[in-house]
Parts: sequence; structure tokens; C-alpha cells
Amino acid sequence: QKEVEQDPGPLSVPEGAIVSLNCTYSNSAFQYFMWYRQYSRKGPELLMYTYSSGNKEDGRFTAQVDKSSKYISLFIRDSQPSDSATYLCALGTGGATNKLIFGTGTLLAVQP
Amino acid sequence: DTAVSQTPKYLVTQMGNDKSIKCEQNLGHDTMYWYKQDSKKFLKIMFSYNNKELIINETVPNRFSPKSPDKAHLNLHINSLELGDSAVYFCASSLQGGARNEQFFGPGTRLTVL
Repeated sequence: QKEVEQDPGPLSVPEGAIVSLNCTYSNSAFQYFMWYRQYSRKGPELLMYTYSSGNKEDGRFTAQVDKSSKYISLFIRDSQPSDSATYLCALGTGGATNKLIFGTGTLLAVQP
Repeated sequence: DTAVSQTPKYLVTQMGNDKSIKCEQNLGHDTMYWYKQDSKKFLKIMFSYNNKELIINETVPNRFSPKSPDKAHLNLHINSLELGDSAVYFCASSLQGGARNEQFFGPGTRLTVL
């Protein structure tokens, strides 16, 4: 079993839809939970960051963490064609190495 | 005002050759990383250096050798390239102990081994 599992997609939605992206993990030592967005042929860029259970909102994006269920989600409201990208969850234990474990990514296409 | 830069952006080479990829960051970070992203977009850590000291060394063939001349630079040298080395290699940097442990990624180097 991989440390981090992510729905592979691809996911295709119409413009304006609410998108839900999810990851599950097995290691309870993970303390940091991030979502990176990666456009085609570009490097990943940090979209959302949280370190506690609950919700964190930033504009149209909401990150949700449930440590008891080892489940994290990213919601995108009023999705736009410019949101079309691969979304990667990334989990870290912190500490001296700051090692991140990435999910396999979900390819999202928002159709105009 | 590029934050994390990599050269070259594309690299096409024959099996058996030796090649290097260079990375530089101007963010004042003290930790740098090399990741490999395969054709299925899976991003996996390879190495990490903190202040020129190797702190992460995942299970990577010893044909791969990272070198950090200073904390703003991290290079990756690959000997005897194989077909399976074809991937996109990303460099990243972060500030150890920073509030968010955020890693900033470069644009990637797309390596194709023929």
C-alpha cells in the first residue's frame, strides 16, 4: 500500500461546477498537508497549505483535513477553464528532512 | 526575478552518455531537493541538501550523483544514462524550519534518453 493514495482521474467538469479532489494516507506521522497545482509542462506550485484538521478557505479553494480518517480534500468552487491542471496532494512529517510524499495527481479539465 | 531556475529545460541524449542538470535558487533558502516525475506524473524525492550537506538520499541508482557547491546551487550528474531515466527532473528549495516548510519548484528539465 502506498503511503498516499490519490484518485487518478482524469476528471472532466463543466465550467462553474464544484470540484472535489481527495487523498488518503496511512502514516499518522504526517503533520503538514498541501495541495500543489501543476500546469502542463510547468513545475508544481503550492496552492493550499494546512497543518490541522478542519477547513481552510482561500478564495474559491477550500482545503479540508480529517486526521482521524486520514483523509484530505480540496474543493474548488465555481471552477474555471484556467483551473485545468494536475492537482497533487503532498504530505510532510516536518522535522530535519522536510520530506514531502506526493500523491499521484489528479488531472482536472474544466470545460467552457 | 526567477526564483528556482534549472538548465537545460530539455535534454535529449543517447543511452550510455553522461549528463548534468543544474539548479539555482535566489530565494535565500538553505535546503534544496531533486525530484523525478515519471510519465504518469508521479513525483518522487531523490535527494535533498541542507547547507551543502546531504540529508535525504532515497533509493536511487548510484549513477545519480548530486553536488551542492553552495546552498544556492544543487546540480545532478547522471552517468551511463538508461532508457528508464527518461523523465522530468524538478529542483525545489525551501527554508528549513520556516513556518510553512513550503517547497518552491523549478520549471523542470525534461530528459529523453534514446
